[in-house]
Formats: sequence, structure tokens, C-alpha cells
Amino acid sequence: AQSVTQLGSHVSVSEGALVLLRCNYSSSVPPYLFWYVQYPNQGLQLLLKYTSAATLVKGINGFEAEFNKSQTSFHLRKPSVHISDTAEYFCAVRNPWLSGNTPLVFGKGTRLSVIA
Amino acid sequence: EAQVTQNPRYLITVTGKKLTVTCSQNMNHEYMSWYRQDPGLGLRQIYYSMNVEVTDKGDVPEGYKVSRKEKRNFPLILESPSPNQTSLYFCASSPGGYREKLFFGSGTQLSVL
Repeated sequence: AQSVTQLGSHVSVSEGALVLLRCNYSSSVPPYLFWYVQYPNQGLQLLLKYTSAATLVKGINGFEAEFNKSQTSFHLRKPSVHISDTAEYFCAVRNPWLSGNTPLVFGKGTRLSVIA
Repeated sequence: EAQVTQNPRYLITVTGKKLTVTCSQNMNHEYMSWYRQDPGLGLRQIYYSMNVEVTDKGDVPEGYKVSRKEKRNFPLILESPSPNQTSLYFCASSPGGYREKLFFGSGTQLSVL
């Protein structure tokens, strides 16, 4: 079974700082990995996804994530955060080798607060 | 504009009073799904539908029903709501396939008293 662990339920950083949001996955097969962002009072939006191409994935709004097979990680980072990045971030994993429904398995989320 | 529309945005009801949360997408997506979001638990799938007239249970289906009579609509039905169904609900759709991203609605905050 697949699972995702996000370390840190709440991260607080100053505007302009580097932020790293951690995600570790468990999967018996090479997975597809996603980061979604949820801004206040909105639904989730896809930030970026890894589907077995380049290990460094660039997403929207200056975010990027690196797939590390040996550490089973897919950490999200942004070199310089802005106040508008304040949101909740979800890591998710999907097994691409299953037929039929292949639901995303979400982590519990990390709330990012960017302080001026 | 391509979107997933949920209604209502907020709903307060009492135990046992049947309710329906509607979901509609205008992207001709085959795949639709319902999730609930609870603090500290992330998102959990309730039901999903691969296409019209094809629905199946997700991880937490107890107490919920769905139907998919048309491709664009996927309503979530609570026949007899209970307080433990108080949650934030999201509908999502996808063109299908495991590489495709999910498009989410804006959510429905349900409170069952």
C-alpha cells in the first residue's frame, strides 16, 4: 500500500527566505508524486508532478521538487517565498501500475505561514 | 472557464435530515471523485466514478451515496447525516489516466448538528 508522510504540520518563515517542505513516500513500485496547494477558502491546485521523467521538477509560482529514490523523498522548496505563498501544501502519491481507479493518497498537509 | 462547481458552499443541517451536495464540471472529464478533508487527516476519498453509470467506493464510503447519470454531474448524497460527517468536502474531476491532474471544486463546508 502507498502512503505519504509530511514532516511538520506547520512551518513559519520570513518573507524572502528559503522554504523546504518535506515529503516521504512509501510505495512498492516507482510512484507518481504530486504537490498540491490549497489557498485559504479555495480548493486544491496542482503545483507540480513527478511522473518518472527528470528528477528535478519545476512547478508554478517558483516552486520545485526533487525526487530522491534512495531516500524515498519528494521535498518541495522555493528559494524566496512571498506572503502570497501562505497556504496549505499537500504531497500525494499514486501507483501508476494499477488499472482502474488509481486514487491519489494524500499526506496530512503542511500549513505554510509567510511572515512579513 | 473550465471549472468544477460545487453547491452549496456552506451548509448547516441537523442529524438525520437528508441532503445533497451537487458537483458539476464543464470539461467533459470522465473521472470524478469526492473527498473529505478533516484537520490532521488530510484528504480521504469517499467515492469515485470512472464514467457515466460507473461508481465505486473509496476509502471512507460509509454514510454516503453517489450517482453518475450524466457525465458532467456527480452529486454526493447523505441519506441520514450524523455529526461525524461534519467536514469540508471537495469534488474533483480528471480527464482520466494516472498522469492526469485533478481539478478541484472550491469545497463545501458541512456542519451536522
